Amino acid sequence: EAGVAQSPRYKIIEKRQSVAFWCNPISGHATLYWYQQILGQGPKLLIQFQNNGVVDDSQLPKDRFSAERLKGVDSTLKIQPAKLEDSAVYLCASSQTNNEQFFGPGTRLTVL
Amino acid sequence: DQQVKQNSPSLSVQEGRISILNCDYTNSMFDYFLWYKKYPAEGPTFLISISSIKDKNEDGRFTVFLNKSAKHLSLHIVPSQPGDSAVYFCAAGGTSYGKLTFGQGTILTVHP
Repeated sequence: EAGVAQSPRYKIIEKRQSVAFWCNPISGHATLYWYQQILGQGPKLLIQFQNNGVVDDSQLPKDRFSAERLKGVDSTLKIQPAKLEDSAVYLCASSQTNNEQFFGPGTRLTVL
Repeated sequence: DQQVKQNSPSLSVQEGRISILNCDYTNSMFDYFLWYKKYPAEGPTFLISISSIKDKNEDGRFTVFLNKSAKHLSLHIVPSQPGDSAVYFCAAGGTSYGKLTFGQGTILTVHP
């Protein structure tokens, strides 16, 4: 079974630029999550999708972050404009149930 | 407000001995708890979980203990192996919703 795929693996941008991350979940997983993991902290949920609908986006900074999951499969997370404090690893996860989540390798974003 | 806390940033153990990683939580609504293991440049990998209706779950060398009255869980690894060296995250959630809240992580180093 193929795991959760994410791209790019690394991205370096300057502040005020925009950036987008892509995630392909495990086939058949209806629920998709985006997490932000800042160095030295645990992952923090940004947004949760059930199929192509948003279940929870309470911690998503909506003035600069946006996410979509068209057709209920792949998802993209965008930051526009980026700030220095957005430097983090962005993790995508998917699950069949509400319990065990499977994570992708993450995208490490550095904002200069 | 940090609802899941791992108070030990790091733990060093000799190969063959027991590793004990601890986690405390504050939210009484949590009824499902998981441990994830993370190697550098990889996403977190599910290790073991426990439902609030149990106080112990065992899987090979890994055992998770849950003390609901103390709102505390622990992960025991016996015997510890150098390959267990990684960051361990405790996570908590509810079976009725998918959102997981993670602790800050504990870096485990197992010395040969």
